[in-house]
Amino acid sequence: ETGVTQSPTHLIKTRGQQVTLRCSSQSGHNTVSWYQQALGQGPQFIFQYYREEENGRGNFPPRFSGLQFPNYSSELNVNALELDDSALYLCASSNYRENIQYFGAGTRLSVL
Amino acid sequence: AQKVTQAQTEISVVEKEDVTLDCVYETRDTTYYLFWYKQPPSGELVFLIRRNSFDEQNEISGRYSWNFQKSTSSFNFTITASQVVDSAVYFCALSGSRDDKIIFGKGTRLHILP
Repeated sequence: ETGVTQSPTHLIKTRGQQVTLRCSSQSGHNTVSWYQQALGQGPQFIFQYYREEENGRGNFPPRFSGLQFPNYSSELNVNALELDDSALYLCASSNYRENIQYFGAGTRLSVL
Repeated sequence: AQKVTQAQTEISVVEKEDVTLDCVYETRDTTYYLFWYKQPPSGELVFLIRRNSFDEQNEISGRYSWNFQKSTSSFNFTITASQVVDSAVYFCALSGSRDDKIIFGKGTRLHILP
């Protein structure tokens, strides 16, 4: 196990709702990255947080937002959910100097 | 633009056979990092290896080995004497700089048949 924990494990929402996913990073790690993995696809980078600031963003609309807290844990917020947001959301933590990202088991989001 | 291609969508082999998973990458960066991750049915991506662009030495770890060839932009992964527990989706991935985003391929689903 990596020590990266995500909650909840599964979530069902309806279109238009808002959702918050949570991630606790591995001890000693100060960087958190979020990825979206659609069924049968590889993970797609959403954004990364380092020292509580966004440190890079993929091709996702502004309704995807995040936070990183002083203890390096993180949240991913998605507003105005769409059906295509249904996916596995993966969080990864890393030490900024080490460059190896360790992933949690993910949150599976279903939007109906 | 950075891109990772895993041409093999799905592979099935009988236990104890050797199997090679192919990975071809594209990048304009001179410094980059290549990775392999394993994703079992539980969903968690398990880190297997990282290789930087300046280190073309092949690596062996138990039954796993990796062949990095800059000339062909390939980073192939071989499992020797495969076991049923090796069944998973394997992702090859690329990163352009330290702790930058990771670009993943679409993955290769590997079935090891008993």
